[in-house]
Amino acid sequence: NAGVTQTPKFQVLKTGQSMTLQCAQDMNHNSMYWYRQDPGMGLRLIYYSASEGTTDKGEVPNGYNVSRLNKREFSLRLESAAPSQTSVYFCASLPRERETQYFGPGTRLLVL
Amino acid sequence: GESVGLHLPTLSVQEGDNSIINCAYSNSASDYFIWYKQESGKGPQFIIDIRSNMDKRQGQRVTVLLNKTVKHLSLQIAATQPGDSAVYFCAEKVAGFSGGSYIPTFGRGTSLIVHP
Repeated sequence: NAGVTQTPKFQVLKTGQSMTLQCAQDMNHNSMYWYRQDPGMGLRLIYYSASEGTTDKGEVPNGYNVSRLNKREFSLRLESAAPSQTSVYFCASLPRERETQYFGPGTRLLVL
Repeated sequence: GESVGLHLPTLSVQEGDNSIINCAYSNSASDYFIWYKQESGKGPQFIIDIRSNMDKRQGQRVTVLLNKTVKHLSLQIAATQPGDSAVYFCAEKVAGFSGGSYIPTFGRGTSLIVHP
């Protein structure tokens, strides 16, 4: 199993550009999550998906949209990137009836 | 300890020493706690967990202690090695939420630096 994979690993955008961060898991997990991590701060939840076909806002959803394409894939879209969205983005998944999340390696995003 | 500004609390130890990393949690309704390790450039990885009906749990070289009275959690690492250098996060889960409604709350983390 590859676990949780994220692409790209690193991206530089100009203000106003759009992009989609991809996340996939091959562990048949039901729930998936997108977090951002800023220097000196813990993980902050952007959006999550409890199951295929459902998505909900987390703590910091503004400026982002998500799509749970199928059980494996959960993408995060920035429609018009802003410098405040410079961060490291982590995707995580959670198996049914479990309480420990599995994290991907992260996508480092720089918005100029 | 508490963090100030954008800087994480840092714990520096010598190789071979024991390390203790602390975490204060906020919600008395939390019933499950997890410690994660995050190495530079990687995602967080599970280390050890504990439920609120326990006050101590041991793993390989790691021990987690839970004090519900003061809402405090600690991670003890025995015989710390350079490979233990990382940021350590605690996370708490509120009772009654599971599966898709499981939204853990993460602490800000402590940076552990192990000197050879």
